[in-house]
Amino acid sequence: DAKTTQPPSMDCAEGRAANLPCNHSTISGNEYVYWYRQIHSQGPQYIIHGLKNNETNEMASLIITEDRKSSTLILPHATLRDTAVYYCIVRVADNNAGNMLTFGGGTRLMVKP
Amino acid sequence: DTGVSQDPRHKITKRGQNVTFRCDPISEHNRLYWYRQTLGQGPEFLTYFQNEAQLEKSRLLSDRFSAERPKGSFSTLEIQRTEQGDSAMYLCASSPRAPYNEQFFGPGTRLTVL
Repeated sequence: DAKTTQPPSMDCAEGRAANLPCNHSTISGNEYVYWYRQIHSQGPQYIIHGLKNNETNEMASLIITEDRKSSTLILPHATLRDTAVYYCIVRVADNNAGNMLTFGGGTRLMVKP
Repeated sequence: DTGVSQDPRHKITKRGQNVTFRCDPISEHNRLYWYRQTLGQGPEFLTYFQNEAQLEKSRLLSDRFSAERPKGSFSTLEIQRTEQGDSAMYLCASSPRAPYNEQFFGPGTRLTVL
């Protein structure tokens, strides 16, 4: 799986959009970008994933650059409960593979009042 | 609640003792994963089951570790002769077969080896 690079920490004001960047310059054509987050003392939580098109769900939006070498997770209106470590993971989604997740260091997002 | 459950949530043991953790996945998920997470680090993959078959094991899974998933339902992770370095959060996740395999994690079992 391709390696990802994320800033170690970010701050965001409550109610504002949180934009979390991720670089994955060695991504392959069949690799998806997945985002998970981990709130303190809980297991990781799936947020969103995409291949090349921008994606949106009830939690967040995922913007992938045209060359697919980077992406941004957007939390449109951050709340204090969004304070967590956010992990960007690149991997193949293949029914014949194990599809284990390779977590990096992630970005620690602190939402402040 | 139909999420992934793990038991116990916390375990304190003395070095050299054996411990066993249980994971109950989401019922229709045929894939089950174990991860380990030490303080300040992201989770690291340990092993993976598809139904009852253990298909992959990480090099992190030493001979003292064994995992089972009888009948393809719940899974157990046993650590024999625990060492202080085994202290960590042990996370279980499950996923459906297709198509994108997003994984749903349990709350974890925090192991402290004294």
